[in-house]
Amino acid sequence: GAGVSQTPSNKVTEKGKYVELRCDPISGHTALYWYRQSLGQGPEFLIYFQGTGAADDSGLPNDRFFAVRPEGSVSTLKIQRTERGDSAVYLCASSMTSSEQFFGPGTRLTVL
Amino acid sequence: GQQLNQSPQSMFIQEGEDVSMNCTSSSIFNTWLWYKQDPGEGPVLLIALYKAGELTSNGRLTAQFGITRKDSFLNISASIPSDVGIYFCAGFGAGNNRKLIWGLGTSLAVNP
Repeated sequence: GAGVSQTPSNKVTEKGKYVELRCDPISGHTALYWYRQSLGQGPEFLIYFQGTGAADDSGLPNDRFFAVRPEGSVSTLKIQRTERGDSAVYLCASSMTSSEQFFGPGTRLTVL
Repeated sequence: GQQLNQSPQSMFIQEGEDVSMNCTSSSIFNTWLWYKQDPGEGPVLLIALYKAGELTSNGRLTAQFGITRKDSFLNISASIPSDVGIYFCAGFGAGNNRKLIWGLGTSLAVNP
């Protein structure tokens, strides 16, 4: 498949634990985005990578959230000391242009 | 964060009917995107609009970029059951081509 893939599809964890969410963008897409979506809401921007560097991380809610893209392809979103309020669907998108973003299926994170 | 005003919030229609939904903003947008999201999936790009006044079709879907650059609409003609889902508008504000700003979605139900 040529689309954006995300793993795991579901993650259940306990409050205070550390989690990593992975995104494989479409091959050749230089831009990668992470969003968070709560029920009944549109996606909320978290961070944007152009190549290996985070071009805009202003959407990360606090310093418990961190993302990397070391080789300019796969990205990992890392959440430390998870809280119940972190429960949401985490979406990844990639793009070649600055406009048309293509989304993966998301990772549903549940923090108990 | 900043959001677009999207309406209606939900619609319940009969198969074969036409549907119209729209988004408005208090500020100018450079790009309008329309996405459809099915349960458990990421948003899928339907139509992208780049110029004020632009009218673009994709099968039974037609979208327009408002002349004032502060609004956009999406029409679906002759609806079918697989049109069911949540439709989101999204866009880039003037001077910012990184963070997509999203509407809250229009939930569409089609009665066969």
